[in-house]
Parts: sequence; structure tokens; C-alpha cells
Amino acid sequence: QKEVEQNSGPLSVPEGAIASLNCTYSDRGSQSFFWYRQYSGKSPELIMSIYSNGDKEDGRFTAQLNKASQYVSLLIRDSQPSDSATYLCAGTIFGNEKLTFGTGTRLTIIP
Amino acid sequence: SAVISQKPSRDICQRGTSLTIQCQVDSQVTMMFWYRQQPGQSLTLIATANQGSEATYESGFVIDKFPISRPNLTFSTLTVSNMSPEDSSIYLCSVTGPLMNTEAFFGQGTRLTVV
Repeated sequence: QKEVEQNSGPLSVPEGAIASLNCTYSDRGSQSFFWYRQYSGKSPELIMSIYSNGDKEDGRFTAQLNKASQYVSLLIRDSQPSDSATYLCAGTIFGNEKLTFGTGTRLTIIP
Repeated sequence: SAVISQKPSRDICQRGTSLTIQCQVDSQVTMMFWYRQQPGQSLTLIATANQGSEATYESGFVIDKFPISRPNLTFSTLTVSNMSPEDSSIYLCSVTGPLMNTEAFFGQGTRLTVV
């Protein structure tokens, strides 16, 4: 079983709608979670980090963490064509800063 | 976040040769990592670059193939040795801390093609 799993997509969402990206993890020692956005040919860009249960909002982005269910999600409200990219979920284990990445979800926003 | 300069940005190399990739950060960081991203895939950690000591390699990666140096807190190199076409990938440097709250940031990446 992979340590971090994502719905691989691809996911297509109409412009202005909410895009929902999901991630599950297998190691209960996982402590911190991150969402990265990667445009084609570019390196990953950190867009959200979340460390405790609940929701964390930053502009159009909301990260949700549920440690009991071992589930992390990213919601993108009012989706824009510029949000079209691959989104990578990553986690770290307490005391270790190395990231374990999911396989990524390719998101396309349809104008 | 730190400014991370990685070079070269891309290279085309002959099989059997070696390429050294450099990663320079504009401030002191706690951790430096090297990742590989094969075409169409996610990121896989190669190793943690330890300052002044041998790197810590992940399963499937060995020092003879991917020697790593980190002489100080702001600089690291990754060498891809005795290259084959299977080494064609994007190689990424990543850094965390001390003011980044465990968040990791990436260099621009090195796109390597082995012919």
C-alpha cells in the first residue's frame, strides 16, 4: 500500500465551480500535510500546509485534515483556468522532514 | 521562503558520463533533499543531504550512483553517475527550515536527458 494516495484523475471542473482534490495516507505517525501545485514543465509550488484537524482557509483554497480518517483534501473555490495544473499531496512523519508524495491529480478548469 | 538556485536547468548527456547538479540557497536552511521526478510521475526522494557528513539514501538509491555533497548550510550537489537513458528525469532540490515551519520549497529543477 502506498503511503500517500490521491485520486489520480484527471479531474475536469467548469470555471467558477468548486474543485475537490482528495488524499489519504496510511501512516498514523504522519504529522504535517502539504498541497503543491505543479504546472507543466515547472517545479512544485507550495500552496497550502495543514498540521491539525479541521479546515484551513487561504483565499480561494481550503485544506481539510481529518486524522481519524487519515484523509486530507483541498478545495478550490471559484475555479479559474489558471488553476489548471497537477496537484500533489505530501505528508511528513513527526520528527522527520522528508516528504512523501502522492501520485498527483491533474486538474483542468474548463472555461 | 528561501530563494533556491539550481543549475543547470537542463542538459543532454551521453550515456556513461556523469552530471553534477548544483543547489544554492540564499539563506541558511535546516534540511536539503534531492528528489527525482520521472516523466509523467510524482516525486521520489533520492536522499537527504547532510551537512558535513554522508547523505542518507532512500531505498533503491545508492551513493555510487548518486553521490551527494553538502559542504555547508546553503549549498549541495547531486551527481548522476554512469548515466543511462533510464536516468532521464527531472531532478529537484528541496529545502526546509529554520524559519519555514517544516514547509519545503523547491528549486527550478534540472531536466536531464540521456542519449
